[in-house]
Amino acid sequence: SAVISQKPSRDICQRGTSLTIQCQVDSQVTMMFWYRQQPGQSLTLIATANQGSEATYESGFVIDKFPISRPNLTFSTLTVSNMSPEDSSIYLCSGSGTGGSKQYFGPGTRLTVT
Amino acid sequence: GIQVEQSPPDLILQEGANSTLRCNFSDSVNNLQWFHQNPWGQLINLFYIPSGTKQNGRLSATTVATERYSLLYISSSQTTDSGVYFCAVSNTNAGKSTFGDGTTLTVKP
Repeated sequence: SAVISQKPSRDICQRGTSLTIQCQVDSQVTMMFWYRQQPGQSLTLIATANQGSEATYESGFVIDKFPISRPNLTFSTLTVSNMSPEDSSIYLCSGSGTGGSKQYFGPGTRLTVT
Repeated sequence: GIQVEQSPPDLILQEGANSTLRCNFSDSVNNLQWFHQNPWGQLINLFYIPSGTKQNGRLSATTVATERYSLLYISSSQTTDSGVYFCAVSNTNAGKSTFGDGTTLTVKP
């Protein structure tokens, strides 16, 4: 199994600013993902974080708004840029082995934009 | 993309009761997982079960891949079982999962 930590656990930010969320895994994982969960809703995949190359974004999410880095197999960052109140959400980091294995989640970062 | 439907959307039980949660999916899958999101938001992986049956204590799960559904059984429910149960599936080797809308379970003492 993998233990995933995220920083910060929560933040309140002003409109127009940016926040970078860090994700650390305690062991090497093949795949890392970033999800968003809006209040009372399910999880929506933002992107797959690829080691040493550009992330793969899902429909509706773009690199300019959500730049992602993954410099090695255990660490990734997600930046939420030029924030608006609509970006208020929980952002979750996830890791797994190859396609046929269990997926683990961090505790989430609760973001409120005022 | 693949569609995932979970039922029921909400479930209220008395402590000690049993329950069955269902997950239907629209295409063949190579990965199916059940998660529990506790009231503090943490997602716990309960089962990795693309096919067959598994048991872990009071919980068990069965996936019938040919009929495109999975069931999660909770027996002798406890208040700590409260939260949201998500089914997540994948049909690629990219590892990314599509989540259902979840079943919100409330267990009353």
